[in-house]
Amino acid sequence: NAGVTQTPKFRILKIGQSMTLQCTQDMNHNYMYWYRQDPGMGLKLIYYSVGAGITDKGEVPNGYNVSRSTTEDFPLRLELAAPSQTSVYFCASSLFGGAPYNEQFFGPGTRLTVL
Amino acid sequence: TQLLEQSPQFLSIQEGENLTVYCNSSSVFSSLQWYRQEPGEGPVLLVTVVTGGEVKKLKRLTFQFGDARKDSSLHITAAQPGDTGLYLCAASYGGATNKLIFGTGTLLAVQP
Repeated sequence: NAGVTQTPKFRILKIGQSMTLQCTQDMNHNYMYWYRQDPGMGLKLIYYSVGAGITDKGEVPNGYNVSRSTTEDFPLRLELAAPSQTSVYFCASSLFGGAPYNEQFFGPGTRLTVL
Repeated sequence: TQLLEQSPQFLSIQEGENLTVYCNSSSVFSSLQWYRQEPGEGPVLLVTVVTGGEVKKLKRLTFQFGDARKDSSLHITAAQPGDTGLYLCAASYGGATNKLIFGTGTLLAVQP
C-alpha cells in the first residue's frame, strides 16, 4: 500500500495563476481532508469529504475548491493564487470520522510558493 | 472556535535529558491525539487518549489526559536524537463529523 500520495512535492506559482494539488489514497478510506500548515500555526483545515460526492468547508476555505468524484481521489484547486496561499499543503484520510477512532493518515505534503 | 495551545513552542535539549510538552484548551475534548511530524513528512499518529486521567506509555514516551479532559501532556524520558521533530496535539470536540483541531505544535531538537 502506498497510503496517501500527493503531487507535486514543490511548486512555484505567479500571482493570479491557478493549479490543482492532487491527492490519492489506496486504503479505501471514506474520509479525506485538506490542511495547510504555516510556520508556528499548526494545521488548518481547508476542506474535507465524508465520501465520494460529498464535500464541506473547513476553517479556511476561501480561495480554494475541491471535488470528490471517487473514493480514492480528492484534488484541491487553487484559483487566482495569492501570496497568502504560500504554505505547505497536506492531504489526509481516515477510515472512521468519529472520535476516538478517527486516526488520520497524511501524505508527504506539497510545498507551494506564490510570488 | 476552539483553540488548542501547546507549550513550549520550541525546545532544544541534550541527549539523555527529560522533557514535557503541554496541550491545553478552554473546552472539553471528547478525545485527544498526539502526532509527530519529521521534516519533509506528514504527521504520524503516536497515541489517542480518551478517558479523563488516562495515562498511556509508548516506550520512553508517556501521555497523560487531564482529569477534566481539557489538557494533555507528553513526557519523554532520556530523549534521543531520533525524537527530534514537531509534536502536534489534535483534539476532537464531538459533533457529527468529528473534525480534528490541531494545536500549534512543539518543535523539539535533541542534540547528540
